[in-house]
Amino acid sequence: EVQLVESGGGLVQPGGSLRLSCAASGFTFSSYSMNWVRQAPGKGLEWVSYISSSSSTIYYADSVKGRFTISRDNAKNSLYLQMNSLRAEDTAVYYCARGGSWSEYAFDYWGQGTLVTVSS
Amino acid sequence: QSVLTQPPSVSGAPGQRVTISCTGSSSNIGAGYDVHWYQQLPGTAPKLLIYGNSNRPSGVPDRFSGSKSGTSASLAITGLQAEDEADYYCQSYDSSLSGSGVVFGGGTKLTVL
Repeated sequence: EVQLVESGGGLVQPGGSLRLSCAASGFTFSSYSMNWVRQAPGKGLEWVSYISSSSSTIYYADSVKGRFTISRDNAKNSLYLQMNSLRAEDTAVYYCARGGSWSEYAFDYWGQGTLVTVSS
Repeated sequence: QSVLTQPPSVSGAPGQRVTISCTGSSSNIGAGYDVHWYQQLPGTAPKLLIYGNSNRPSGVPDRFSGSKSGTSASLAITGLQAEDEADYYCQSYDSSLSGSGVVFGGGTKLTVL
C-alpha cells in the first residue's frame, strides 16, 4: 500500500525557517517524481515545488523561489522541503504528492498534510 | 486568480447529474495538455479522480467521467450521492508559466441537496 506521511509542520514566526519531511513507503520511491502542494486555510490548491526521481530537475512556484528548497533522499525514501524567510502568506497545509505512473503531472497519491502556521 | 476557471459552487439532488467546468486558454487546455481532476472530501487530502482528461484510476466509480474540448474540460457526476459532497479541482499544464507549469483550478464546492 502506497503511503506518504508528512511531518515537520508547526508554528513559526515571520522570517523563520522550517523543514518539512515526507516519508514514503509501499512503492519504489526512487522511480517517481515528487511534489509539494499547499492549501491555505479555506483556499484552493497551489503547486509549490517539483523534484524529478533522480533530483536532476527541480522547479519552484514563483511565490517560493529563492526561499524554499526541495530535496530527496532515495536511500531513505524521503522527500524534504526546507522553508526559509517564511511569510504569513505561507501559512497552509503542505501536502507531498507523487507524480503518477501514467503522467507525472497527475498526482496519484497524496499524504495527509502537515500544517504550517507563520505568525508572531 | 488561477489560469483555470471553475465555478465556485454547484449543487444537485441525490440521483441527479451534475457537471463541473474547467475553462482554460490556448496556453494550457487549448494547447492540448491533459486535464486531471481531484476530489477533496471535507478535512481530507485530495484524491486523484480523473487523469488524462477521461481516465479513471482503479477504484473510482464509473459515475465519474471527464471530457475535454477546445479550451475547456468538464467533470460529470451521475447518480449523485451524499458522499460526493466535496471540493473538486481541475489541473493541467500551462506553457506560459515558469517552473513546472503545473496549475490548478480554483476549485468547485459540490453540495448535495
